[in-house]
Amino acid sequence: DTEVTQTPKHLVMGMTNKKSLKCEQHMGHRAMYWYKQKAKKPPELMFVYSYEKLSINESVPSRFSPECPNSSLLNLHLHALQPEDSALYLCASSSRLEQYFGPGTRLTVT
Amino acid sequence: GDSVTQMEGPVTLSEEAFLTINCTYTATGYPSLFWYVQYPGEGLQLLLKATKADDKGSNKGFEATYRKETTSFHLEKGSVQVSDSAVYFCALLLNSGNTPLVFGKGTRLSVIA
Repeated sequence: DTEVTQTPKHLVMGMTNKKSLKCEQHMGHRAMYWYKQKAKKPPELMFVYSYEKLSINESVPSRFSPECPNSSLLNLHLHALQPEDSALYLCASSSRLEQYFGPGTRLTVT
Repeated sequence: GDSVTQMEGPVTLSEEAFLTINCTYTATGYPSLFWYVQYPGEGLQLLLKATKADDKGSNKGFEATYRKETTSFHLEKGSVQVSDSAVYFCALLLNSGNTPLVFGKGTRLSVIA
């Protein structure tokens, strides 16, 4: 099974809301990632977790807060977002040799 | 730094035409190479991969060969279908376990009947 699941599929939130994106994988991968993808662009890395510890933070604003509760789960907590944060948020997990993506959460900030 | 360069589209082909999307890379180590496909409104799907020089990845009629001498990983398909319309991303991954993918800018393919 090479599946990464993400919920919700779509999310609309106001700038004062707090919401969370969830990601789950059961492939035993110890590295998990959050990417942000704007229309017609490649995904941009946000965070990397390795063995449940944050190993890379690509200077992401503090209104995005990642969390890795265990080796299968990855959350992205959202607070006080801006309209320009509207995008497709992709979760991925990887072994040494390949990386698998979830279907993404399409986020709209109003 | 590591980088991937791929031909920018859009590419428009008629059904059953031959497809080539060029991809070249620059890497400090010995990367694995990938093609991902993104259908409209969806996430990225791994299409094929190659982990060492001269490996050929193949899937769903698509092929790409890891050419170390030309640092290339061109995607080909002999006969495209309308259902192949999507954005294709070439990417590399250094084999260290928790490094992120390095993506090309993506090539949008439209296949018309």
